[in-house]
Amino acid sequence: AQKITQTQPGMFVQEKEAVTLDCTYDTSDQSYGLFWYKQPSSGEMIFLIYQGSYDEQNATEGRYSLNFQKARKSANLVISASQLGDSAMYFCAMKGGGSNYKLTFGKGTLLTVNP
Amino acid sequence: NAGVTQTPKFQVLKTGQSMTLQCAQDMNHEYMSWYRQDPGMGLRLIHYSVGAGITDQGEVPNGYNVSRSTTEDFPLRLLSAAPSQTSVYFCASSITGGPADNYGYTFGSGTRLTVV
Repeated sequence: AQKITQTQPGMFVQEKEAVTLDCTYDTSDQSYGLFWYKQPSSGEMIFLIYQGSYDEQNATEGRYSLNFQKARKSANLVISASQLGDSAMYFCAMKGGGSNYKLTFGKGTLLTVNP
Repeated sequence: NAGVTQTPKFQVLKTGQSMTLQCAQDMNHEYMSWYRQDPGMGLRLIHYSVGAGITDQGEVPNGYNVSRSTTEDFPLRLLSAAPSQTSVYFCASSITGGPADNYGYTFGSGTRLTVV
């Protein structure tokens, strides 16, 4: 079964600085997808970025980029120029591992951006 | 607006009561799923469905039932609520495809359930 590990329960960053949120995954499959979601204090799940296992380029979406290291099985989220509104819980998730549709989530990292 | 609609948003139950959490989507998504979110545990899959008449268990199915009679609706039933089922519940849907396909998931806004 696939597994997602987020080793940072909480992270702090100064406004305007960059921050990296760690995510490692475990699967024996060659075909899978990796997602990052943001959950602000209001509770909704907001999709941020996606990386497919066959994608050769790291995914980028505005201030978000995904540092995909396939051999290390890591998919770290990089947020550049942090803003106060980035304070939230961040979840890494994976689709694959024998399933075409089930998402498996990590336990999350709570990011706090300080002014 | 198209999306996933969950009702109710908040609910308080007494131990032993039953209730149904509703989930409806209007995007013709084949895949629908229920997750529960507990502090420090992330989101864990309860049940899922890949089409009308097809359901299967996820990681934490005990105490919950589901059915899928239409493409649009995927209700989650608690037959006899227990305090351990106090949680935030999310419904999510997607079209199906390959594991490396970027078909996004649409989440509902969540149901906060408290069992006393």
